[in-house]
Amino acid sequence: GENVEQHPSTLSVQEGDSAVIKCTYSDSASNYFPWYKQELGKRPQLIIDIRSNVGEKKDQRIAVTLNKTAKHFSLHITETQPEDSAVYFCAAMDTGRRALTFGSGTRLQVQP
Amino acid sequence: GAGVSQSPSNKVTEKGKDVELRCDPISGHTALYWYRQSLGQGLEFLIYFQGNSAPDKSGLPSDRFSAERTGGSVSTLTIQRTQQEDSAVYLCASSTRLASNEQFFGPGTRLTVL
Repeated sequence: GENVEQHPSTLSVQEGDSAVIKCTYSDSASNYFPWYKQELGKRPQLIIDIRSNVGEKKDQRIAVTLNKTAKHFSLHITETQPEDSAVYFCAAMDTGRRALTFGSGTRLQVQP
Repeated sequence: GAGVSQSPSNKVTEKGKDVELRCDPISGHTALYWYRQSLGQGLEFLIYFQGNSAPDKSGLPSDRFSAERTGGSVSTLTIQRTQQEDSAVYLCASSTRLASNEQFFGPGTRLTVL
């Protein structure tokens, strides 16, 4: 089955700096890669996703890149703000199967 | 509009008891998923429903776990003879069958087995 590795487990940056979180996956059949943000005690919320026919996607301060050959994808947050502080999860899905396999999460702390 | 809802929000039970957790998906969402999140961990897939059928129940950790969905809407996850290692937050998500695969999550049920 699919295995998703995520790093770093914790990341502390100064407000205004960029943050990068990286994930690797094992199943070449995976073709959908979402990123979820989870604030303390809250439900996970989708912030951006990418499909395997696209190499990069951007939404304001957030971007995701995908390298299918190397089986890795990354989340980039620019101009970080304190409200970006949360746990971020990457995930991978074979849309034929539909179950998401999640990484173990990255706790991002943005210092004001 | 209304999002995914789950009940109860918290459940404390004694080891060996059975528990039922409920999920109400977003109206019109045909796909429903159950995940488990242990403290400080990522989300672990349990089971997926399309309509009332479960094409993928590969994530259920043991035969003490079962789930059903009726009327293509509400789903119940049942854990029999609960063990302390069952303690976790159980999250439900739903999605449509459209091109978007986005799964919308509920607030979860925090289960504590004493």
